[in-house]
Amino acid sequence: DTGVSQDPRHKITKRGQNVTFRCDPISEHNRLYWYRQTLGQGPEFLTYFQNEAQLEKSRLLSDRFSAERPKGSFSTLEIQRTEQGDSAMYLCASSWDFEQFFGPGTRLTVL
Amino acid sequence: GEDVEQSLFLSVREGDSSVINCTYTDSSSTYLYWYKQEPGAGLQLLTYIFSNMDMKQDQRLTVLLNKKDKHLSLRIADTQTGDSAIYFCAEISTDSWGKLQFGAGTQVVVTP
Repeated sequence: DTGVSQDPRHKITKRGQNVTFRCDPISEHNRLYWYRQTLGQGPEFLTYFQNEAQLEKSRLLSDRFSAERPKGSFSTLEIQRTEQGDSAMYLCASSWDFEQFFGPGTRLTVL
Repeated sequence: GEDVEQSLFLSVREGDSSVINCTYTDSSSTYLYWYKQEPGAGLQLLTYIFSNMDMKQDQRLTVLLNKKDKHLSLRIADTQTGDSAIYFCAEISTDSWGKLQFGAGTQVVVTP
């Protein structure tokens, strides 16, 4: 299967710890997106990359959040000093044009 | 700002047609999408429609777009138990090509 993959699938951490998630997009896709989804809600946009350039960031992406895509392939999303409000599903998507294909997500639980 | 709204719940009998509705406010929407999410899973792109179209059919799925009323619907013909899931309406506008704006989702429950 050559779909979008995310690692880890689940992460439990204590408040105040740092966490990092990885996303591997579909290989020929030049755009990569991060979204956050909380229970009972639709995904909310966080940021997106075209190749290695980060083109847009949501106001939801506080200073504790940083995303990178250093070689224009995989991406990482780091959350520093996690808070309980960061508990959510973090979804990655990739596209070549206007069709975004999503990965399975990383579920973060902050205790 | 942009807003996408959906009804929260739909119950349908197996074999019947389901119709899921969505309204949006962004007049610069260019593409509108329907995604399906099963429990614990990511989102599966079902279909999309460009804003200059008013209908698109793809097997059991029919998308209708009323651009004047900013209303989008998804009809699923011959609904099966495997269609039970949450369905999200989403749009992309020319103001922000990278950003999908989602509704809160409609939970569809198919009963035998």
